[in-house]
Amino acid sequence: GQQVMQIPQYQHVQEGEDFTTYCNSSTTLSNIQWYKQRPGGHPVFLIQLVKSGEVKKQKRLTFQFGEAKKNSSLHITATQTTDVGTYFCAGPYTGNQFYFGTGTSLTVIP
Amino acid sequence: DGGITQSPKYLFRKEGQNVTLSCEQNLNHDAMYWYRQDPGQGLRLIYYSQIVNDFQKGDIAEGYSVSREKKESFPLTVTSAQKNPTAFYLCASSIQGGKVGETQYFGPGTRLLVL
Repeated sequence: GQQVMQIPQYQHVQEGEDFTTYCNSSTTLSNIQWYKQRPGGHPVFLIQLVKSGEVKKQKRLTFQFGEAKKNSSLHITATQTTDVGTYFCAGPYTGNQFYFGTGTSLTVIP
Repeated sequence: DGGITQSPKYLFRKEGQNVTLSCEQNLNHDAMYWYRQDPGQGLRLIYYSQIVNDFQKGDIAEGYSVSREKKESFPLTVTSAQKNPTAFYLCASSIQGGKVGETQYFGPGTRLLVL
């Protein structure tokens, strides 16, 4: 079955440092979504990437979709304490079923 | 929260008891989903429903049951057959279901603890 692997599982950074999480799928994806879950909260949709090689930016967040549409990354520039949380990628399987990655938990040290 | 409510926020259950988690949405979405999240892990799909009176098993449906009698409601019952039910349960919805790439909107979740 389809698998969506995500690394690293945990990341601690000093405030102001950059952060990157990587997502890899065992199969080609038609699109990939990213979600953020704050501690004690629920996942919130951040962005969707559809095209091969697509790059999208949201302020300090940069999202990339690989050329082969099997991997993606989320990069945060100059982290802030508000970036704390777990970041999930999600890739569609059949119909509207999604496989969520295991997530990367980001801790930002002030 | 996108108009999805889950209750209760915390739920305690004795071993051997069934318990039902509520999920209601007022977004007029056709599709609804139940996920389970364990500490340090991602979301695993339990059940999903693309239309009223129809639902499909996800990857970890054993020990769970659902119903979809109304568009707005998708309750999840955790039965005594579920051997390790302690987890964070998340309900989600999307506009149509069956359309690849739809955004999912999540409720605040219910934390279930088996005593």
